[in-house]
Amino acid sequence: DGGITQSPKYLFRKEGQNVTLSCEQNLNHDAMYWYRQDPGQGLRLIYYSQIVNDFQKGDIAEGYSVSREKKESFPLTVTSAQKNPTAFYLCASSIRIGHDEQFFGPGTRLTVL
Amino acid sequence: GENVEQHPSTLSVQEGDSAVIKCTYSDSASNYFPWYKQELGKGPQLIIDIRSNVGEKKDQRIAVTLNKTAKHFSLHITETQPEDSAVYFCAARTSGTGNQFYFGTGTSLTVIP
Repeated sequence: DGGITQSPKYLFRKEGQNVTLSCEQNLNHDAMYWYRQDPGQGLRLIYYSQIVNDFQKGDIAEGYSVSREKKESFPLTVTSAQKNPTAFYLCASSIRIGHDEQFFGPGTRLTVL
Repeated sequence: GENVEQHPSTLSVQEGDSAVIKCTYSDSASNYFPWYKQELGKGPQLIIDIRSNVGEKKDQRIAVTLNKTAKHFSLHITETQPEDSAVYFCAARTSGTGNQFYFGTGTSLTVIP
């Protein structure tokens, strides 16, 4: 069953702690993306990766870091430098950068207490 | 960069009526316009899309129209059903670096049985 998985669905952390969100895809897609979703706002791009060992900053990369050591995996770390980390985080993938359809995972809701 | 505006933010219709959601974009170089449906607690799913060289596209009860001159595109849902209730997002893809997607702020559609 092909798709994108994100874990966990809900995550709670104390202020000042780094936290890593998981994203895995078995679609054999080259491109992967991380978006942040806040109430009343559209999705905003944090980071994207065109291929293994490559990633680029999106519009709101400050306070976040990523890695792409394997094609299937694109974890996102929310660092303590992110001023307002509480949000819904969505991972997506596409066959390649510039390909039309992006497939989204179910999301992780992060709450920083 | 690209700016996508979406209206209305909330929309309630009676079952069987039509629903129309409108989006405008600012970058004339944007060339691909998808619409996503997001159910509560889930990731967005692509429901229909249109390229810049096409004026209209239909898929059963769903249609999208694009006016490149005016830089606006619309989603039309006919014969609405309760299961159409969700949040709908429009997006525009730029042709620049990363072929980035820019999303509207979403429309919460409620279909009243």
